[in-house]
Amino acid sequence: DAKTTQPNSMESNEEEPVHLPCNHSTISGTDYIHWYRQLPSQGPEYVIHGLTSNVNNRMASLAIAEDRKSSTLILHRATLRDAAVYYCILRDFYNNNDMRFGAGTRLTVKP
Amino acid sequence: GAVVSQHPSRVICKSGTSVKIECRSLDFQATTMFWYRQFPKQSLMLMATSNEGSKATYEQGVEKDKFLINHASLTLSTLTVTSAHPEDSSFYICSARDVENYGYTFGSGTRLTVV
Repeated sequence: DAKTTQPNSMESNEEEPVHLPCNHSTISGTDYIHWYRQLPSQGPEYVIHGLTSNVNNRMASLAIAEDRKSSTLILHRATLRDAAVYYCILRDFYNNNDMRFGAGTRLTVKP
Repeated sequence: GAVVSQHPSRVICKSGTSVKIECRSLDFQATTMFWYRQFPKQSLMLMATSNEGSKATYEQGVEKDKFLINHASLTLSTLTVTSAHPEDSSFYICSARDVENYGYTFGSGTRLTVV
């Protein structure tokens, strides 16, 4: 799977929007962009995924660059419960294998 | 949505003993499950891929005789840490792929402490 690059850490204030960037310059045409997050002492949980178009769900929005070489996870109003490590992962649609994690971005939310 | 149940959530064992961790897919069938290990302040590292009815595939550097994986049914995979040592203390996480929904669901993790 293609590699992703994320900032090690970010900070946000509570109830403000957060934009978490991810670079994936070697993305292939069949790679989906997945975001997972891991709260302290828990397993990762699915946040959102997309291929080309921007995506919205109840948790977040995913903005994908036109050339697909980068994407941004948007939390519209950060809460203290959103403090977690956020992982951006590329998965080939036709690859039935594993999901491998990079270092992710540790998001701190300040009250 | 898909749920993966992992048990136990915490376990403390003595050095030299074995510990079994269970991973169950509750509302879907999982032909493939994955086992990860995570040390403090680090990311998840894939240990092995567990395939129902066949041998697991281990990542390079993971001892298959030490980390025994059994995937005897479409809803259950187990990881047994044999002859555990303090350096095996870690957070172990399983995951399963929900083929119908093209999603990966993770268990809540098992904190293993070997004393």
